[in-house]
Amino acid sequence: ELKVEQNPLFLSMQEGKNYTIYCNYSTTSDRLYWYRQDPGKSLESLFVLLSNGAVKQEGRLMASLDTKARLSTLHITAAVHDLSATYFCAVDSRWSAPSNYGGSQGNLIFGKGTKLSVKP
Amino acid sequence: EAGVAQSPRYKIIEKRQSVAFWCNPISGHATLYWYQQILGQGPKLLIQFQNNGVVDDSQLPKDRFSAERLKGVDSTLKIQPAKLEDSAVYLCASSLGGGRSNTEAFFGQGTRLTVV
Repeated sequence: ELKVEQNPLFLSMQEGKNYTIYCNYSTTSDRLYWYRQDPGKSLESLFVLLSNGAVKQEGRLMASLDTKARLSTLHITAAVHDLSATYFCAVDSRWSAPSNYGGSQGNLIFGKGTKLSVKP
Repeated sequence: EAGVAQSPRYKIIEKRQSVAFWCNPISGHATLYWYQQILGQGPKLLIQFQNNGVVDDSQLPKDRFSAERLKGVDSTLKIQPAKLEDSAVYLCASSLGGGRSNTEAFFGQGTRLTVV
């Protein structure tokens, strides 16, 4: 059974500081997603990481994927208050074997989320 | 492009009552998901459709939950009878489906269910 673990679960940062959120998963997968959720709102897609070594950046956020270590990171640079939200990583459970390629749509397994609070 | 539409946004019911949620996915998206998100947790998949067929319903409590996707477009999720522990946000998501490049899921606003 695929398990996805995020840490930390809670993160309080000062504006201007850097920090990294970690996402570990238990079985092979080469497809990982990062989502943002604001209180009372739905999930907004941030990054789609499709291969080992993938790195994507958008503004102050940068995500990377190491499929051999089964680890993704979400790095925050010079945090600002607007980044306060809960961040989820989700791993696609169906692309872990060649027999699944081109098969039915994957199933996303989510971590518990990291609640980020950026303080002035 | 219109996003995933869900209704209602909020629902309060008493335990043992029934409730239904509706979802209209993004046009052209073959795959539709229903997720349950309990407060403070990540979303948990309940059921996944590919067109109008069920791909995965292994975590759907079938004694009380049911879902259908008629004509491969809109979907409804029903709970009958509801329990207190069903209080959660029910999220519908859709993706293009098929092929390695089309797996990004887009989520609706969700329906917040409170069972009292």
